Amino acid sequence: QVQLVQSGAEVKKPGASVKVSCKASGDTFTSYGISWVRQAPGQGLEWMGWISVYEGNTKYAQKFQGRITMTTDTSTSTAYMELRSLTSDDTAVYYCAREGGSGWYFWFDPWGQGTLVTVSS
Amino acid sequence: EIVMTQTPLSLPVTPGEPASISCRSSQSLLHRDDGNTYLDWYLQKPGQSPQLLIYALSYRASGVPDRFSGSGSGTDFTLKISRVEAEDVGIYYCMQRIEFPRTFGQGTRVEIK
Repeated sequence: QVQLVQSGAEVKKPGASVKVSCKASGDTFTSYGISWVRQAPGQGLEWMGWISVYEGNTKYAQKFQGRITMTTDTSTSTAYMELRSLTSDDTAVYYCAREGGSGWYFWFDPWGQGTLVTVSS
Repeated sequence: EIVMTQTPLSLPVTPGEPASISCRSSQSLLHRDDGNTYLDWYLQKPGQSPQLLIYALSYRASGVPDRFSGSGSGTDFTLKISRVEAEDVGIYYCMQRIEFPRTFGQGTRVEIK
């Protein structure tokens, strides 16, 4: 069974960068994609972007273009999401989710446990 | 981008009674080429990560009880719980995946009366 384990909580100052990792186990890492979704305190889910693990193709939400980079390391079955120029509005729990499926359709399952990123001076 | 709108935002329910959540998209989620409807439902239980409930409009994810069902067409969708149980509390989100960016509804908080 696939599991995604994310890196621990981070505290960053405004203007800094954060890099969150998401390590997969239990399945062929290159067989699917990884999406990143964040959730600000008390708010809903916000999709940030997607990366195809096999090809490295990425799709980012417009609001993050220019300050987000998603990468993968197939040797360690780990996906990364780096977000730069942080502001207090970036304080949120960041989730990775496997975009896998049955061939005719794909879905987000499983999800990582979430990584709390706090941006504060 | 496609805007997803859920109603209601809060839903108090009585155990054993049915419950229903609506989701509307600003564009059709029916894919003309393959006939699939690209609409999923996720549940975020308190203190947990979201989990997949329903994919492709009406297919229950593995392990999801059959009291959950998804229906609808085009731009209007419904998640139904035939008989609510205490373990069903949490926030339910619809999400479209017919195009990038993926977008979620605001979420519907289901709580026991």
